[in-house]
Amino acid sequence: AQSVAQPEDQVNVAEGNPLTVKCTYSVSGNPYLFWYVQYPNRGLQFLLKYITGDNLVKGSYGFEAEFNKSQTSFHLKKPSALVSDSALYFCAVRRLPSGNTPLVFGKGTRLSVIA
Amino acid sequence: DTGVSQNPRHKITKRGQNVTFRCDPISEHNRLYWYRQTLGQGPEFLTYFQNEAQLEKSRLLSDRFSAERPKGSFSTLEIQRTEQGDSAMYLCASILGGLAGGGYNEQFFGPGTRLTVL
Repeated sequence: AQSVAQPEDQVNVAEGNPLTVKCTYSVSGNPYLFWYVQYPNRGLQFLLKYITGDNLVKGSYGFEAEFNKSQTSFHLKKPSALVSDSALYFCAVRRLPSGNTPLVFGKGTRLSVIA
Repeated sequence: DTGVSQNPRHKITKRGQNVTFRCDPISEHNRLYWYRQTLGQGPEFLTYFQNEAQLEKSRLLSDRFSAERPKGSFSTLEIQRTEQGDSAMYLCASILGGLAGGGYNEQFFGPGTRLTVL
């Protein structure tokens, strides 16, 4: 079965500092990985995805993620955090077989960026 | 705004009552998903449709839950005889799936319907 782990419930970072939100996955075969962000009382917004190719994926709002097959990780990063980045972040893997099957989500990591 | 809408945004009901939620996906999207999100957890898959066909139901979808997508456009999720454990955010997502979507597209989520069962 496919699964995603987000080991940190909360990440605190000062504005202007780099941020990392961690994600590890377990899947048989090739993983299709996604990051979503959720603001209060809003649905999930897509940030970026890894399907194949370059291990460094660039997404919306200056976010990027690095796929590491040997460590089965897909950590979300941003070089300089903004207060407006404070939100709930979810890592997700597409369940196999692929072809737009449902996503399996992690529990989420709350990011707090302090001015 | 992702283009996926859900109504109502909030629903408060008493235990034992029936509730129905509606999801309007992005118009050209042929696949529609329902997820449930409880506090402190990520969304969990409930069921999904391709056009009007319901292709899969999760074990989370008990007999009290039913979903429809009668004309392959909007979808409804009904919960009968609600229980306090049904309190959650119910999320809808849509995608251009299958061969037309290439198999790798991201899902677009609606704002959700927050259900509170008293």
